[in-house]
Formats: sequence, C-alpha cells, structure tokens
Amino acid sequence: DIQMTQSPSSLSASVGDRVTITCRASQRISSYLNWYQQKPGRAPKLLIYAASSLQSGVPSRFSGSGSGTDFTLTISSLQPEDSATYYCHQTYSNIFTFGPGTKVDIK
Amino acid sequence: EVQLVESGGHLVQPGGSLRLSCAASGFTFKNYDMNWVRQAPGQGLEWVSYINSGSTAIYYADSVKGRFIISRDNAKNSLYLQMNSLRDEDTAVYYCARGMLGGSGSSDYWGQGTQVTVSS
Repeated sequence: DIQMTQSPSSLSASVGDRVTITCRASQRISSYLNWYQQKPGRAPKLLIYAASSLQSGVPSRFSGSGSGTDFTLTISSLQPEDSATYYCHQTYSNIFTFGPGTKVDIK
Repeated sequence: EVQLVESGGHLVQPGGSLRLSCAASGFTFKNYDMNWVRQAPGQGLEWVSYINSGSTAIYYADSVKGRFIISRDNAKNSLYLQMNSLRDEDTAVYYCARGMLGGSGSSDYWGQGTQVTVSS
C-alpha cells in the first residue's frame, strides 16, 4: 500500500502568515493527490484535487503543488477561519490512503 | 442541493454485524462513484471502501477486506456498507462521500457521518 506522511504534524501561525504543509507519498502517485480541511465535529471539505486544482468555492489563498512523491498545500495569508486539520489523500492506487493530518492553530 | 445522509450506526458487540446506509439526493446518483471513509475517536481519516457508478469496480482497505461489503442501489439513490465480524477498532464515525466527476478520485461532498461503536 502507498503510505502518506505529512509535516509538520501541527503548527501555530499568525493571521496573515504564509503557511505551507508538505505531504510525501511512499511511491510515485503522479498528480493523484487531494487536500481536505476538517474542523472539529464536521465532515471534511475538499480544498484541492489533482494536486493543484482549486475546488469550486474555496478561497484563492489556498493552493496546491507537486507531482510524483512530494506535494505542498499553501495558505498564502492565514485567516482565523483556517484553523483546522488538513489531510492529504492519494487516489493513485486501488487502495486510497490519507495522510495523518496537520493541525493548524492561530496564534 | 447535494445531500448525503448516513444512517444505521449504533452500539454493537464485537463479532456482530451492522448495515450502514447513505441516502443521496440533489444529484444523479447513478453517475457518481462513491466512498466510505471513517474516523476513529480523536484520530485521522481512514478510507474504507470505494464503488464505481456501475458497481463494476469495488475496492477495500486492507483493514476491512473480507469483513465489509460495499454496495449501491442506483434505483433507490442509496449506498450501503455491510459490516460483519466487527472489532473494537472499527469504532468510528463513518462518512459516505461522493466521488467528484473528473476529480481524480477526490470526494467533493460528504455526509454528516454516523457513529458506530463496537463494545461489549
């Protein structure tokens, strides 16, 4: 199975900061990589699909990049409502897998 | 409006069985692939199973293979998860999620989840 890792596992940043979360796959997955945001007690929300495509309705401060094994999610200017846990998710193989998550807090 | 509503979750003893349902509305269900994803208390997301629109492709996580069965009834706009031989570690909130058309396997709409608790 393809294993996904994320770093950091958590971070604290100020409003307006640029935040970058990285995700690494244990083998090449082309661009079959998605990013979700989850707030406590809520269902996940799709932010980015196919590594870099912004889901409809998602603010443009969110962006994704990468291909192969290394991917990044960037929040260009952190907002209070971005406090959440972020998960990467590969769909390259027939066994999909999520990363362990990155918790983002606002200082 | 797209809606996914899960049901069927409750307390069950280890070794027992449970059938989850997901009622879909607001879109043409038969055209979309579907997934089940779960989240154990305080833990991250775990993909459980996938079924394509015509039920011709079905995949499972290793942790549930041989115990869970995913199915769908396109005439009833419903997705199901038959869960057998349940274990303590199957305790989680179970979400159904719609596969996004042209979205590289991503899930663009999720239900609110149904709680499954496996305990004696």
